[in-house]
Amino acid sequence: DIQMTQSPSSLSASIGDRVTITCQAGQDISKYLNWYHQRPGKAPKLLIFDVSNLETGVPSRFSGGGGGTDFTFTISSLQPEDIGTYYCQQYGDLPITFGQGTRLAIK
Amino acid sequence: QVQLQESGPGLVKPSETLSLTCNVSGDSMGHYYWSWIRQPPGKGLEWIGYIYTTGDTNYNPSLKSRVTISIDTSKNQFSLNLNSVTAADTAVYYCARGVRVVVVPGAINWFDPWGQGTLVTVSS
Repeated sequence: DIQMTQSPSSLSASIGDRVTITCQAGQDISKYLNWYHQRPGKAPKLLIFDVSNLETGVPSRFSGGGGGTDFTFTISSLQPEDIGTYYCQQYGDLPITFGQGTRLAIK
Repeated sequence: QVQLQESGPGLVKPSETLSLTCNVSGDSMGHYYWSWIRQPPGKGLEWIGYIYTTGDTNYNPSLKSRVTISIDTSKNQFSLNLNSVTAADTAVYYCARGVRVVVVPGAINWFDPWGQGTLVTVSS
């Protein structure tokens, strides 16, 4: 299985802050990396696919980058509705695996 | 707009079989990989497996010996059976539509949308 390691596991930031999360794959997964947002008590929602492509309707303050084994997810200006947990997901190989999650709170 | 809804018992006894159904509405089931994903309380996400509309399946090796996913396109639904359950199988179970835009070893590119999830507790 391809292990996905997110960092940090949790963070708190102020409204308007720039927030960055990293995701490292245990082996080269090219560009086969997605990001999801899960609000408390809700199902995950796809935000970004193929490293950097925003799903329809996702605000432009979200962005993604990287390739190979190292990936980043950035919120350029944190908003109150961005709280929750963020997961990366790889599809470079089966089984599909997710990172352990990064819990984001407002300071 | 496609919507998914899980249904099934919220409590299952140890050693018995967990059975869930996902009802798909708002679109046909064609050309997608219908998937199950679970999340133990307070933990991360684990992909269980998928079924394509042809009936082809693929399961996570960690669960393969205990999992069966089936599909009934005439009813717009697919199902999960997980046998010989233990407390470690207690989780929120999500159904999701797996999308494939490009052919990759991982088959499914991403999951969108997801059902709201249903908590299944394994306890006597």
